[in-house]
Amino acid sequence: EVQLVESGGGLVQPGGSLRLSCAASGFTFNNYAFNWVRQAPGKGLEWVSFITAGSTSIFYADSVEGRFSISRDDAKNSLYLQMNSLRDGDTAVYYCARDRAGGSFDIWGQGTMVTVSS
Amino acid sequence: DIQMTQSPSSLSASVGDRVTITCRASQDISNFLAWYQQKPGKVPKLLISAASTLQSGVPSRFSGSGSGTDFTLTISSLQPEDVATYYCQKYINAPKTFGGGTKVEIK
Repeated sequence: EVQLVESGGGLVQPGGSLRLSCAASGFTFNNYAFNWVRQAPGKGLEWVSFITAGSTSIFYADSVEGRFSISRDDAKNSLYLQMNSLRDGDTAVYYCARDRAGGSFDIWGQGTMVTVSS
Repeated sequence: DIQMTQSPSSLSASVGDRVTITCRASQDISNFLAWYQQKPGKVPKLLISAASTLQSGVPSRFSGSGSGTDFTLTISSLQPEDVATYYCQKYINAPKTFGGGTKVEIK
């Protein structure tokens, strides 16, 4: 079964750090690009970051540029999001999503909740 | 950056009604436009890519059209299971911006 499973969410204080992981299975991980998308409680979807196959190109939303870092480990079939200098506004469910050839997001994980609060 | 504007933000329609949601890009994105459905408490699901290509398993009552800056998602006959929020997304380049969403309810 094609699947993405996120982990690593939790409660963190403002200014703190958290590392999210996304474990992939059921397909050839290193052939695909991936994204992180977040959704604040009761709000819409916000694209966060993108990494190509082979990590040749990486992009970030302006709202997280300089604070978040996306990476991947093809040997472990895993995608990561290192989040530093967290703010209240980063509170959201974070989804990893596979970037299908062409660019739409065809497979999504179940999401992991990140709460930034003192 | 290219902005994506959806309208309406919410709608209420009767079962069997034809429903149309509009998405406008602030610049030409050709057909690099996807539609997603997110049911309450669930993960987003890809419905349509390349503006009009229905994904496998998606009911044929859903259709997409448009190119350039103006796009539409149409549900030809609204069903109770279509209650959801629908998002458009441009993916021609980063940032892969989503529209604000359209919440569809049954009247």
